[in-house]
Amino acid sequence: DGGITQSPKYLFRKEGQNVTLSCEQNLNHDAMYWYRQDPGQGLRLIYYSQIVNDFQKGDIAEGYSVSREKKESFPLTVTSAQKNPTAFYLCASRSTRNYEQYFGPGTRLTVT
Amino acid sequence: RKEVEQDPGPFNVPEGATVAFNCTYSNSASQSFFWYRQDCRKEPKLLMSVYSSGNEDGRFTAQLNRASQYISLLIRDSKLSDSATYLCVVRPASGGATNKLIFGTGTLLAVQP
Repeated sequence: DGGITQSPKYLFRKEGQNVTLSCEQNLNHDAMYWYRQDPGQGLRLIYYSQIVNDFQKGDIAEGYSVSREKKESFPLTVTSAQKNPTAFYLCASRSTRNYEQYFGPGTRLTVT
Repeated sequence: RKEVEQDPGPFNVPEGATVAFNCTYSNSASQSFFWYRQDCRKEPKLLMSVYSSGNEDGRFTAQLNRASQYISLLIRDSKLSDSATYLCVVRPASGGATNKLIFGTGTLLAVQP
């Protein structure tokens, strides 16, 4: 089955700890994206990557970092510098034929 | 002004009803338009792309009005399973933003028996 996987589904961390969220796709898509969603708000773009070994900051990149060493993988690290890390994190990839984005099931991060 | 605006709802409709949502966008040069559906605590799923000529997929019809800068989604014969949040999504056209999508905050639909 082709698709996007994110793990874990739920993640709990103490304040001050870095945490890495996994995103893997086997759709052969070049572009991948990270969003966060907070209650009552639209999805906000954190980082995106259009090709391996390249990535750009989105609208809310502060406190986050990414890497894109393989086409299939785009992990997101939430650092201790992120002031409000508790959120629903969504990874997406984009078809090369059009601009439709397809999402993974998300990771719900809670930091206390 | 927000780049993409939607009425948050909720729209409470009985089964079998026809319901329509509108969404306005601020960038007149926007190139691509989509409707996504998001169930509670789940990821958004692409419902349909919106083409200039309008398009239909079963009970769902999407239309684009470039002059007034809005897109619409019409759902006919509503089912209980249509209950979800519908996200309006727009791709801006300028420069490095061409590969980014802008998401509205969504319209909540609740179909009641």
